[in-house]
Amino acid sequence: QKEVEQDPGPLSVPEGAIVSLNCTYSNSAFQYFMWYRQYSRKGPELLMYTYSSGNKEDGRFTAQVDKSSKYISLFIRDSQPSDSATYLCAMRGEYNFNKFYFGSGTKLNVKP
Amino acid sequence: GAVVSQHPSWVICKSGTSVKIECRSLDFQATTMFWYRQFPKQSLMLMATSNEGSKATYEQGVEKDKFLINHASLTLSTLTVTSAHPEDSSFYICSARDGVSEQYFGPGTRLTVT
Repeated sequence: QKEVEQDPGPLSVPEGAIVSLNCTYSNSAFQYFMWYRQYSRKGPELLMYTYSSGNKEDGRFTAQVDKSSKYISLFIRDSQPSDSATYLCAMRGEYNFNKFYFGSGTKLNVKP
Repeated sequence: GAVVSQHPSWVICKSGTSVKIECRSLDFQATTMFWYRQFPKQSLMLMATSNEGSKATYEQGVEKDKFLINHASLTLSTLTVTSAHPEDSSFYICSARDGVSEQYFGPGTRLTVT
């Protein structure tokens, strides 16, 4: 079993839709959770970063962590064609600062 | 803030030659840098982790003698692909962190070995 599971998609939605991207994980020691956006042939860009459980909002993006279910989500409101990219979740534990675990990425396509 | 650059962005080299890729943290001191490889439509594969002034720690299956990593300063790490072969063609991405931040990625380097 992989440490982090993420549906590869592709996920295709019309412009303006609310998008929900998700990851599940198996290691209860994970405390830091990140979402990255990667455009084709570019490096990943850090979008959201949360610590432990709860929600974090930044503009049209909301990151949600449910540690009891080992489930994290990224919501995109009013999705735009420019949001079309691959979204990677990542996580790490409290003490092993340099050991990150990445999901395989979900490809999102927002149609105009 | 938190900008990481890579150079070159794209390189073509002949089989058997070596190629060096640079990774720089432009506005912070990177105590740790990471090198990843990414095949088309696949996720990131961590190759090695390097701390400034120390030898890199390679992931299982990554050849140390083929992928030479040097992290000589707090703002620069280099990856040298030695005796490159067509199967080394890939997208190489570095990332950096300053010890308290999360990883910030460079824009990637596309290597094509002919």
